[in-house]
Amino acid sequence: DVKVTQSSRYLVKRTGEKVFLECVQDMDHENMFWYRQDPGLGLRLIYFSYDVKMKEKGDIPEGYSVSREKKERFSLILESASTNQTSMYLCASSFVAQRSTDTQYFGPGTRLTVL
Amino acid sequence: AQSVTQLGSHVSVSEGALVLLRCNYSSSVPPYLFWYVQYPNQGLQLLLKYTSAATLVKGINGFEAEFKKSETSFHLTKPSAHMSDAAEYFCAVSENRGSTLGRLYFGRGTQLTVWP
Repeated sequence: DVKVTQSSRYLVKRTGEKVFLECVQDMDHENMFWYRQDPGLGLRLIYFSYDVKMKEKGDIPEGYSVSREKKERFSLILESASTNQTSMYLCASSFVAQRSTDTQYFGPGTRLTVL
Repeated sequence: AQSVTQLGSHVSVSEGALVLLRCNYSSSVPPYLFWYVQYPNQGLQLLLKYTSAATLVKGINGFEAEFKKSETSFHLTKPSAHMSDAAEYFCAVSENRGSTLGRLYFGRGTQLTVWP
């Protein structure tokens, strides 16, 4: 069965802290994605990666960076957390790089609060 | 870029009633379209997708959607709502050209409430 796991369900951090959100998939998927979800705004793409060490900016990359050193793991980094980054963060993966018909499989999400 | 509009951020129906969730898309090329569902405190899961085969697509849990090119729509329906259908529903369109091939553009979501 398909599995995407995220390191934490809930996280509380302070303004200015460096924050790491980890995502792991066990399906040998090529594509991985990071979204943030806010009420009334739907899902907005932060970054995605279609191969190890490759990354593409999404719609709202400012204040975030990513790392993909291994195929199964995709990390989202908040270099200096701010209160406007309080949100739900969702990771997803899909099988084949740059194939537009593929289903994306989602993790359960990390609810991040920045105080 | 592609875009998706979901009409109605909240929809309420009685148990047993028809469910209709509306989605319109904007795309300069033939689109691939998806409906995802999010139950409380969970990630999203795929309900169904249109990838240019049959225009009427059947999904899980009795849901279906019809692709109408002339109306640029992909509305989601279910003949008879069940309490377990209460969730948030997202329509999405896939980017199918260029360097960002395969990424999704999501609508803002529709929260479905089912009354007993």
